[in-house]
Amino acid sequence: NAGVMQNPRHLVRRRGQEARLRCSPMKGHSHVYWYRQLPEEGLKFMVYLQKENIIDESGMPKERFSAEFPKEGPSILRIQQVVRGDSAAYFCASSPPMTDTQYFGPGTRLTVL
Amino acid sequence: GESVGLHLPTLSVQEGDNSIINCAYSNSASDYFIWYKQESGKGPQFIIDIRSNMDKRQGQRVTVLLNKTVKHLSLQIAATQPGDSAVYFCAENIKGGSNYKLTFGKGTLLTVNP
Repeated sequence: NAGVMQNPRHLVRRRGQEARLRCSPMKGHSHVYWYRQLPEEGLKFMVYLQKENIIDESGMPKERFSAEFPKEGPSILRIQQVVRGDSAAYFCASSPPMTDTQYFGPGTRLTVL
Repeated sequence: GESVGLHLPTLSVQEGDNSIINCAYSNSASDYFIWYKQESGKGPQFIIDIRSNMDKRQGQRVTVLLNKTVKHLSLQIAATQPGDSAVYFCAENIKGGSNYKLTFGKGTLLTVNP
C-alpha cells in the first residue's frame, strides 16, 4: 500500500519561471491538503481539495499560486513567476473521506535562484 | 541534513530515558490533536492522535496527554531511542464545517544521545 507520493522531490527554478508540484494521494483517499514549510517555521496550511473541488484556499497567496485536483490524475500545486521567497518545502497530505487524520508525503523542496 | 528550524525549542535526552515534549495550543474550539515526527529531509510522520473528549491516549511507547483547561498537549516517549531523534510537531484541527485543515506548532527538536 503505497503512501502519499510527491514529485519531484527537489525542484530548482529561476526567478520568473513556473513551478509545478504533483501529489498522488494514498489509495482510497479523496481529500488532499497542501502545506508549506519555510525555513525556521512550522508547516502552514495552504489549500484543501477534494476531487474537482477546492474546499478551502484560505492559506494560498492571492496571486501566482493555484491548485487543482482533477477527476483523474494527481493534485497539482502551481506557482507562476516564482520569486526567491517561494523557496520552501511543500508537503501534500491526504485523508479518506470524513476523517481528520492526514498522512503526509515526502515533500518537494523548491529552490528559487 | 536539512534544518527545519534554527530557533526550535530543543530537548536532549540520554538513550533509555523518558522524553516529554510539550505543546500549547491557542484555539479552544479545536477538537482533534495529532503529534507528528519529522526526520531531516522527510515529511511529517503520524505518531498518535487524541480527540477533545479524552485526556489521555496510549500507543506503543508513546502517550499523549491533553489538558483542555490550560490548552496544553504533551507527548511522552518511553525508553527513548536514537531513532526517535527528530523534530516533533503538534497539530490541531480547527474544524469549520467539514474542513479538516491542521494548524501546526513550531516544533521541538529531540536529540537522543547514545
